[in-house]
Amino acid sequence: ETGVTQTPRHLVMGMTNKKSLKCEQHLGHNAMYWYKQSAKKPLELMFVYSLEERVENNSVPSRFSPECPNSSHLFLHLHTLQPEDSALYLCASSQGGGHGYTFGSGTRLTVV
Amino acid sequence: QQQVKQSPQSLIVQKGGISIINCAYENTAFDYFPWYQQFPGKGPALLIAIRPDVSEKKEGRFTISFNKSAKQFSLHIMDSQPGDSATYFCAATVRGGTSYGKLTFGQGTILTVHP
Repeated sequence: ETGVTQTPRHLVMGMTNKKSLKCEQHLGHNAMYWYKQSAKKPLELMFVYSLEERVENNSVPSRFSPECPNSSHLFLHLHTLQPEDSALYLCASSQGGGHGYTFGSGTRLTVV
Repeated sequence: QQQVKQSPQSLIVQKGGISIINCAYENTAFDYFPWYQQFPGKGPALLIAIRPDVSEKKEGRFTISFNKSAKQFSLHIMDSQPGDSATYFCAATVRGGTSYGKLTFGQGTILTVHP
């Protein structure tokens, strides 16, 4: 595996479900990110982890809970989501201040 | 101040034509301006990037023009091909001296190149 891998690719969940998105980077980067991509809106930065510490949380609702157990893995835990949370969730990684910024293919999330 | 404004929202070009996408920013601290290309079902992929100490950067058919005084930069795709049909995002970040990068993205441009 190379680059940034995200699983699952597609996820349909009910509003009362709990699910997790997984991201793995094989690039030796030290920073990882979650972005949300909604139709006709710019990509929105949700969370940033640098050296496994959360350094940014851009006013994201608590129903989204990130976890970074090590420098290669990033999770986004989801619970009691709303239909407006349906979007493409992208993971990215970089080395330091944006060097080699690489995105995964994303998880297409649908909340029903 | 963190916004990056991108235009047009959509663009249709004939094969062989020139595609031009424009972006404007406000934050003068930005020091790295990448462009990303995104195909359906894929994440954005870095296409080309520029730093504000140069006015132009060219890689193959793709050129970034940068106007620091106007706080604008643009992507030119020469000899556009149907395979270039994708969504293009400009972005900006403060890269120098930081341990991580926060990309601020434009709204995206859907490019369609007709055969």
